[in-house]
Amino acid sequence: DIQMTQSPSSLSASVGDRVTITCRASQSISSYLSWYQQKPGKAPKLLIYAASSLQSGVPSRFSGSGSGTDFTLTISSLQPEDFATYYCQQSYSALYTFGQGTKLEIK
Amino acid sequence: QVQLVQSGAEVKKPGASVKISCKASGFTFTTYPMQWLRQAPGQRLEWMGWINAGDGNTKYSQKFQGRVTITRDTSATTAYMELSSLRSEDTAVYYCARGVPFDPWGQGTLVTVSS
Repeated sequence: DIQMTQSPSSLSASVGDRVTITCRASQSISSYLSWYQQKPGKAPKLLIYAASSLQSGVPSRFSGSGSGTDFTLTISSLQPEDFATYYCQQSYSALYTFGQGTKLEIK
Repeated sequence: QVQLVQSGAEVKKPGASVKISCKASGFTFTTYPMQWLRQAPGQRLEWMGWINAGDGNTKYSQKFQGRVTITRDTSATTAYMELSSLRSEDTAVYYCARGVPFDPWGQGTLVTVSS
C-alpha cells in the first residue's frame, strides 16, 4: 500500500495567519491527491482534489499544490472556522490511503 | 441536494456481525461508486472497500477481505456494509462516501464492540 505521511501532526496558529501543511507519499502518485477537513464529531469534507483543484463551495483561501510525492495545503488567512483536522488522501492506487492527519489549533 | 444518510449507532458483542445502511438521494445512484471507510478513536481514516452501484462489482481492502461485504439495492438507492466476526478493535465510526474523490460523506455510524 502507498503510505501517506503528513507534517506537522499538530499546529498552533492565530486567526489571520498563513498556514501550510505538507503530505508526502511513499511513491509517486502523480496528482491523485485530495485534502479533507474534519471537525470534531463530523464527517470529513472535501476541500481539494487532483492536488490543486478547489471543490465547489470551498473558500478561495484554501489552495493545494504539488505532484509526484510531495504536496501542500495552504490556508492563506486563517479564519475561526478553519480550526479542524486536515487529512490528505491518495487515489493513485485503488487501495486508497490517508495521512495521519494534522490538527490545527488556535494559538 | 446530494445527501447520504446512514443508519443509527450499533452496539455489538465480539463475534457478532453488523450491517450499516447508506441511503443516497439527490443524484443518480447507479452512476457512482459507493465507498465505505472507518475511523477508530484517535486513528486515521481507513478505506474498507467500494461497490460499483451500477453493476454491483466490489473491491475490498485486503485488511478486511473475508470479513466485509458491501452490497446495494438500486431500487432503494441504498448501499450496505456488513462486517462480521467483530472484535473490540472494530469499534469505530463507519462512513459511506460517494465516488472518488470522496464527496459527500454520510454522517457516520458509531459501532461499539463490547462484551
